[in-house]
Amino acid sequence: EADIYQTPRYLVIGTGKKITLECSQTMGHDKMYWYQQDPGMELHLIHYSYGVNSTEKGDLSSESTVSRIRTEHFPLTLESARPSHTSQYLCASTPSAGTGNTIYFGEGSWLTVV
Amino acid sequence: KNQVEQSPQSLIILEGKNCTLQCNYTVSPFSNLRWYKQDTGRGPVSLTIMTFSENTKSNGRYTATLDADTKQSSLHITASQLSDSASYICVVSDRGSTLGRLYFGRGTQLTVWP
Repeated sequence: EADIYQTPRYLVIGTGKKITLECSQTMGHDKMYWYQQDPGMELHLIHYSYGVNSTEKGDLSSESTVSRIRTEHFPLTLESARPSHTSQYLCASTPSAGTGNTIYFGEGSWLTVV
Repeated sequence: KNQVEQSPQSLIILEGKNCTLQCNYTVSPFSNLRWYKQDTGRGPVSLTIMTFSENTKSNGRYTATLDADTKQSSLHITASQLSDSASYICVVSDRGSTLGRLYFGRGTQLTVWP
């Protein structure tokens, strides 16, 4: 079982609010990712990190920001939430060596902006 | 354009029956192909991962095949159980970058009826 945790699992917030989705892993993985997934649709990469102080934007444009101050922690922040941000956000991690390793996903954070 | 297409989009089978899910991809240069199972409201869980040289890989009642020449993969589920009801996602990785960029299919939604 993967040791990667996301909080909160479910959240309903009002438009304009600031929200931070937490992601932590205890496997010592260097690579971490944030994906956005709408129901019935594929996952889209919005941010990734190779290690501490390394963050990059993914394929899907996102108004969110991330930080990687510690290896185990990769939080995602929305400064001003909008209804268009309503989606499921999945955090993932994988070891840095090679590209054929298992990618471990968290349980996801379901965000609803009203 | 790198793409991953899965079929069928959804499938309903009776408990105990077998089924096969398809994945066609155009990702190049190819690195590996993964099958994930995603229960509703949960994060994806890895089932198999195959590299270019592997044709078949099994994980319990799940057997994945890969034909790198035709760029096709299948996931065969034997003696289905109610707990197999989930979305099955095909993920293809390229080797054109250190990231090993991942391309996700939209998944096949499998429902197993008693």
